[in-house]
Amino acid sequence: DTAVSQTPKYLVTQMGNDKSIKCEQNLGHDTMYWYKQDSKKFLKIMFSYNNKELIINETVPNRFSPKSPDKAHLNLHINSLELGDSAVYFCASSQLSGYTGELFFGEGSRLTVL
Amino acid sequence: DAKTTQPNSMESNEEEPVHLPCNHSTISGTDYIHWYRQLPSQGPEYVIHGLTSNVNNRMASLAIAEDRKSSTLILHRATLRDAAVYYCISIQGAQKLVFGQGTRLTINP
Repeated sequence: DTAVSQTPKYLVTQMGNDKSIKCEQNLGHDTMYWYKQDSKKFLKIMFSYNNKELIINETVPNRFSPKSPDKAHLNLHINSLELGDSAVYFCASSQLSGYTGELFFGEGSRLTVL
Repeated sequence: DAKTTQPNSMESNEEEPVHLPCNHSTISGTDYIHWYRQLPSQGPEYVIHGLTSNVNNRMASLAIAEDRKSSTLILHRATLRDAAVYYCISIQGAQKLVFGQGTRLTINP
C-alpha cells in the first residue's frame, strides 16, 4: 500500500496547455505539501495545506493552483504551461499535531513542457 | 530558518562507517535538525531528526554537538543502497522544510 501516491508519474505536454497532478495520502495526516525539484536538483517548497486550508504559499506564480478537496488529497493544477515549469513535482504529507519531524514523500511526477 | 552547510560530495566503501557532517551555526534553541536522503529517481526519505541529544534509529545515528552548531549523521555500515543525496535541514516544526544542496554520497563496492 503506497503511503503517498501521485499521478501521473510522467507528463509530457506543449507550452500553453493546462495540466493537473493528483496526490493522495492514506496515512491519515493532516498536512500536505507540494515541492518542486528543478534540473539542478534543488527541492523547493511550493505549497502547504493543513486540514484543507492553505498555510504556505511560497511566491509561486498564480498559474499554479493547488486544491485540497479533503485532508487526504492535494491536487496541483497548472495553467498556461511554460518551459520553465519542466521539473519533478513531489507531493508530501505529515502530521503536525504530535509532531514527529517526518515528512512522507511520493515518488514524484516528472513534467516535461515542450 | 537556520542555514545549513554540507560538503557537496563524499565517498566511502561498502561495509564501512560513514560520517556525514553538517554545520548549522545560526541555529536557534528550538530548531530541530533533520536529515533526509534522496535515492536516485525517488522522493526524499526521512532518515532521522533530533534537538539536543544524540539519536539512534534503525537507519542511522545523529550526533549533535554540545553547542548545536553542527551535527553528524552516522551510517554505521554503509551498503550500496545507501548511495544517495543526504540533506541536513534545520527547521522549527514540519511546516516548511527548506532543502539545501545536500551531500552526494558515493559508496564503492
